Amino acid sequence: NAGVTQTPKFQVLKTGQSMTLQCAQDMNHNSMYWYRQDPGMGLRLIYYSASEGTTDKGEVPNGYNVSRLNKREFSLRLESAAPSQTSVYFCASSELRVNEQFFGPGTRLTVL
Amino acid sequence: RKEVEQDPGPFNVPEGATVAFNCTYSNSASQSFFWYRQDCRKEPKLLMSVYSSGNEDGRFTAQLNRASQYISLLIRDSKLSDSATYLCVVTSGTYKYIFGTGTRLKVLA
Repeated sequence: NAGVTQTPKFQVLKTGQSMTLQCAQDMNHNSMYWYRQDPGMGLRLIYYSASEGTTDKGEVPNGYNVSRLNKREFSLRLESAAPSQTSVYFCASSELRVNEQFFGPGTRLTVL
Repeated sequence: RKEVEQDPGPFNVPEGATVAFNCTYSNSASQSFFWYRQDCRKEPKLLMSVYSSGNEDGRFTAQLNRASQYISLLIRDSKLSDSATYLCVVTSGTYKYIFGTGTRLKVLA
């Protein structure tokens, strides 16, 4: 099993460009999450999807949109990238809302 | 006050030493507790869940103190490979996982 996969691994954007980060899991988990990790701030939840067909805002949703394409896939879109969105983005999944989360390898995004 | 607080360290310990980290949380209604390990530039990986009765996995022991609202991680006989950042995670509310900023451990030869 691949677990949670993310693409791309690295990306450099110019301010104002858009892009979509892809995430897929093969563990048949219901819930999926997008986090960003910045130095000294821990992981912060951007959006989550409790189950297929639902999405909700997390702690820092501004500037992002998400799509739960099916049970396996959960994408994160930056419509107009800003330097403040330079970060490491992690996708995660879990079976139930109180179970441990499994993380993808991350996407390192730099916005110039 | 942060919802989850950890001492950032670094904790520099010699091989073979015993080291302990604490993590405090502010929400008394928190439901589940975990310790994750994160290596440099890698994703967090579950180290162990923390149960009310405490639990042990080899050299690692986790404890939960609900009255004082903290969890702890004890590492015995430290190995060089234990060098990493240890993240405390607390669930609160419907789908809310709160991550601490992590404690850095360096095990020295």
